[in-house]
Amino acid sequence: SQQGEEDPQALSIQEGENATMNCSYKTSINNLQWYRQNSGRGLVHLILIRSNEREKHSGRLRVTLDTSKKSSSLLITASRAADTASYFCATDPNFGNEKLTFGTGTRLTIIP
Amino acid sequence: EAGVAQSPRYKIIEKRQSVAFWCNPISGHATLYWYQQILGQGPKLLIQFQNNGVVDDSQLPKDRFSAERLKGVDSTLKIQPAKLEDSAVYLCASSTRLAGGEETQYFGPGTRLLVL
Repeated sequence: SQQGEEDPQALSIQEGENATMNCSYKTSINNLQWYRQNSGRGLVHLILIRSNEREKHSGRLRVTLDTSKKSSSLLITASRAADTASYFCATDPNFGNEKLTFGTGTRLTIIP
Repeated sequence: EAGVAQSPRYKIIEKRQSVAFWCNPISGHATLYWYQQILGQGPKLLIQFQNNGVVDDSQLPKDRFSAERLKGVDSTLKIQPAKLEDSAVYLCASSTRLAGGEETQYFGPGTRLLVL
């Protein structure tokens, strides 16, 4: 079963704008990760946020985590055409278990 | 370093036929995963190996799917016989442990299977 659910399912914005995607999950987690999948390709790890962290940055990416609401958000600033992809959150419920459960994904389209 | 390799990239078969996928993980990665990704959905874990042992195969349809990882390196996933609903992308991933102890996964390009 899918643990996470991304919102929105699809998002289209103009190049240069910011894109925000949300992820809600159901059970307790050790960490939450975001992955990107370009069309026809495998997934690429973007960023990991631990359960005791509230916010994390990596380049143009900003991730927040609210464990009380069991939700996370991914913000991509100053979007580029190359950011067009599907974005998935993945939850790791147990430290050392190594098993991730992926959400349903947000399809992001950047309009040049 | 070389990434996760998978072959073939595409496969078209008829229902009830057999098919096999191959994966070569990143060198040194002990953990290997096979996922099934149906169009429009997120990846669903089929099986997880630690070296050459199975850690989790709870979501593997064992009546038709099988997987092995001989010698703890390469892995093959087989479907026999295939059904229409097996049409999906089959992703292989391997993982490494970060400095903080968490695991991050590295994915191959996937094999796109179409069952007619």
